[in-house]
Amino acid sequence: AQTVTQSQPEMSVQEAETVTLSCTYDTSENNYYLFWYKQPPSRQMILVIRQEAYKQQNATENRFSVNFQKAAKSFSLKISDSQLGDTAMYFCAFMTPTGTASKLTFGTGTRLQVTL
Amino acid sequence: GAVVSQHPSWVICKSGTSVKIECRSLDFQATTMFWYRQFPKQSLMLMATSNEGSKATYEQGVEKDKFLINHASLTLSTLTVTSAHPEDSSFYICSARNSAGFQETQYFGPGTRLLVL
Repeated sequence: AQTVTQSQPEMSVQEAETVTLSCTYDTSENNYYLFWYKQPPSRQMILVIRQEAYKQQNATENRFSVNFQKAAKSFSLKISDSQLGDTAMYFCAFMTPTGTASKLTFGTGTRLQVTL
Repeated sequence: GAVVSQHPSWVICKSGTSVKIECRSLDFQATTMFWYRQFPKQSLMLMATSNEGSKATYEQGVEKDKFLINHASLTLSTLTVTSAHPEDSSFYICSARNSAGFQETQYFGPGTRLLVL
């Protein structure tokens, strides 16, 4: 079974600064996907970034980038130039695309607070 | 693109009544949808996998007779909470799997807050 660990329950960062959220996972699969989802106070789950395990290049989406270390099974999220709107719960998630059983396994989340 | 709607956004009902929640993929077809439950300050808990045209697959500990799932089309899945009780009060979220172009990504609806009195 796959597991996803987020060791930082809460983090705080000042506006315009950079913050990194950590995520590690455990799997015996070779083909899989990794995601970061953001859940603001509205509780809408929003996809932030995704990474295919077979790609060595780290994914980037504007101010969001990941550091994917496949051998270490690490998938951290870096948020640059933090904005107040980045305040949210961030969940790391893992998925193996095996037919219809493409379930997401979530970490416990990291609550990020962006301050002035 | 990749928008998922969920209706209603919140509902209050009396104990013993049934409540239906709809999940729709608006701009893509989803052969697979998922239903989650989320307790305050916790992660999402997968309840069941909804497959278009076939029976849903329930996670261990989830009562299939209490949480009825129907996935009648490629864009609609419904979750019916039957004979709801106060302990069923929660935040229910659906997601739809978009595998077009090998994207393999789940997109989430905005959630439904259920309060059973």
